Amino acid sequence: QQPVQSPQAVILREGEDAVINCSSSKALYSVHWYRQKHGEAPVFLMILLKGGEQKGHDKISASFNEKKQQSSLYLTASQLSYSGTYFCGTEKNQGGKLIFGQGTELSVKP
Amino acid sequence: GAGVSQSPRYKVAKRGQDVALRCDPISGHVSLFWYQQALGQGPEFLTYFQNEAQLDKSGLPSDRFFAERPEGSVSTLKIQRTQQEDSAVYLCASSLVVGTVSGNTIYFGEGSWLTVV
Repeated sequence: QQPVQSPQAVILREGEDAVINCSSSKALYSVHWYRQKHGEAPVFLMILLKGGEQKGHDKISASFNEKKQQSSLYLTASQLSYSGTYFCGTEKNQGGKLIFGQGTELSVKP
Repeated sequence: GAGVSQSPRYKVAKRGQDVALRCDPISGHVSLFWYQQALGQGPEFLTYFQNEAQLDKSGLPSDRFFAERPEGSVSTLKIQRTQQEDSAVYLCASSLVVGTVSGNTIYFGEGSWLTVV
């Protein structure tokens, strides 16, 4: 039931792009993306609902393919501040309970 | 308050001790969630409240874990007779409305770091 994220880790140079994928074996109502830095709270990035996609902020966007039960997070022209662990949280129905993936650790180097 | 507030931030308990972790959600938030996060893992769902009603406790790992939210605001997660495997970060989160409406967000606190020795 836990969504699967890939890759598990990625190292970028500042300015490079990255894609993080999230796949579920179950039909989904929504996908939430969070970034967490060590010792801090997960910070909300964006939510994608069934039937649509939503652009985030800065140069971070995401898509949601309901048929494939997959979501992808796109980080373009990465900045040092993008470093952290990215989690997708999936929701089976409109109940608010999120099931999180195992995380993707992103490191952006100067 | 401005965000979800949790206390204590750090707790060291001797095996067998009882602990109580407190969560102050964002004022007015209806939904409240507890998650457990082990090192290097994603948050794992424990339980969910809508106001004072505990609607889902399917993630509580054993009957040693108990959560309450008696007045629909502050919540307490209690762990009885702590074991070493209970060592983790306990995250509290809240959201304004029930479920997820377009644009609604679940906000997390910084967590309570529990170490059982």
